[in-house]
Amino acid sequence: QKEVEQNSGPLSVPEGAIASLNCTYSDRGSQSFFWYRQYSGKSPELIMSIYSNGDKEDGRFTAQLNKASQYVSLLIRDSQPSDSATYLCAVTPKGATNKLIFGTGTLLAVQP
Amino acid sequence: SAVISQKPSRDICQRGTSLTIQCQVDSQVTMMFWYRQQPGQSLTLIATANQGSEATYESGFVIDKFPISRPNLTFSTLTVSNMSPEDSSIYLCSVEDLGTESYGYTFGSGTRLTVV
Repeated sequence: QKEVEQNSGPLSVPEGAIASLNCTYSDRGSQSFFWYRQYSGKSPELIMSIYSNGDKEDGRFTAQLNKASQYVSLLIRDSQPSDSATYLCAVTPKGATNKLIFGTGTLLAVQP
Repeated sequence: SAVISQKPSRDICQRGTSLTIQCQVDSQVTMMFWYRQQPGQSLTLIATANQGSEATYESGFVIDKFPISRPNLTFSTLTVSNMSPEDSSIYLCSVEDLGTESYGYTFGSGTRLTVV
């Protein structure tokens, strides 16, 4: 079992729709959770971090964390073609709070 | 957010040679991290570099292959030694960014390495 799992996609959504990206992790002791966006040929850029169960909203983005079920999700409202990118989920494992373990990413394609 | 300058941005190298990648941060940071992203793969942590001490390497990575220097709190280098085509990857440095509204880690622009 991979430590951090994501559906590779592509996830295709029409412009203006809600894109839902999901991530599961195996280490129940994981403490911090991050969503990064990576455009082709570019380095990852941080979208959001979340540490507690529940929802965290920032503009069009909402991160959701459920530690009991060991999943974290990212919702993108009013999706735009410029949101088309690979979205990487990353977690910090218990006892290694400065180490990021990344999933393989979900490719999102927003259709105009 | 911290700003990281990484160079070179890309290079094509002959097998058996070495390449040194540099990262300069615009603020002092305790730890710097080096990641590798192989083609079509996600990011894997190579090592953590602290100023004044030896780098800590992750399983599967060794100092002889990936020596790291950390001479001060704003600069680090990663050398990829005795390269083979399997080393063709994107190499990224990263720092813990305490200044962001949403705490996280910032990445440099990456070095795209091709070994022929």
